[in-house]
Amino acid sequence: GQQVMQIPQYQHVQEGEDFTTYCNSSTTLSNIQWYKQRPGGHPVFLIQLVKSGEVKKQKRLTFQFGEAKKNSSLHITATQTTDVGTYFCAGPRGYGGATNKLIFGTGTLLAVQP
Amino acid sequence: DAGVIQSPRHEVTEMGQEVTLRCKPISGHDYLFWYRQTMMRGLELLIYFNNNVPIDDSGMPEDRFSAKMPNASFSTLKIQPSEPRDSAVYFCASSLTLNTEAFFGQGTRLTVV
Repeated sequence: GQQVMQIPQYQHVQEGEDFTTYCNSSTTLSNIQWYKQRPGGHPVFLIQLVKSGEVKKQKRLTFQFGEAKKNSSLHITATQTTDVGTYFCAGPRGYGGATNKLIFGTGTLLAVQP
Repeated sequence: DAGVIQSPRHEVTEMGQEVTLRCKPISGHDYLFWYRQTMMRGLELLIYFNNNVPIDDSGMPEDRFSAKMPNASFSTLKIQPSEPRDSAVYFCASSLTLNTEAFFGQGTRLTVV
């Protein structure tokens, strides 16, 4: 079945350093979403990418969707302690099918040391 | 809107007991999802509903799990009988359409001893 893998599983950075997490799907995705889950919290939607090669920015966060629509990345510039949490990518299973349910990636846990 | 509301927030039960988790989705959202999160398996989709109708329950682990959505504002996830391996955080989420932003509830942390 479709799998969505993320690397790394865990990243520990010093505050001010950059951070990148990568998301790879075994199949082409119609779109990809990114979520953030703070420790002890629930996933919160960050952004959705739809177009091949699309790049979107939210302040220090840059999201990219691959040309083949099978991979994506999230880059955080100059991390802050508020960036701590697990970042998930999520993509619909199938492509335009009736059972296009959202499959979450394995997640990347980001720890930021002040 | 108060967002997706789940209850209880925490549940501790003994093995073999029935457990019922509850969810109130955001008004107007046509889709409702039940997820389970564990360290080992991550965030797994158990089942989802569209307009109160179960569409895909292929993620439900076994017959001990059942979910219902009697109306647009309420859903339950029931485990009977519960087992220690069911211990996890169970999230309910809702969305307007299948591929738009999913809003998650606070989750129910279930511990089966």
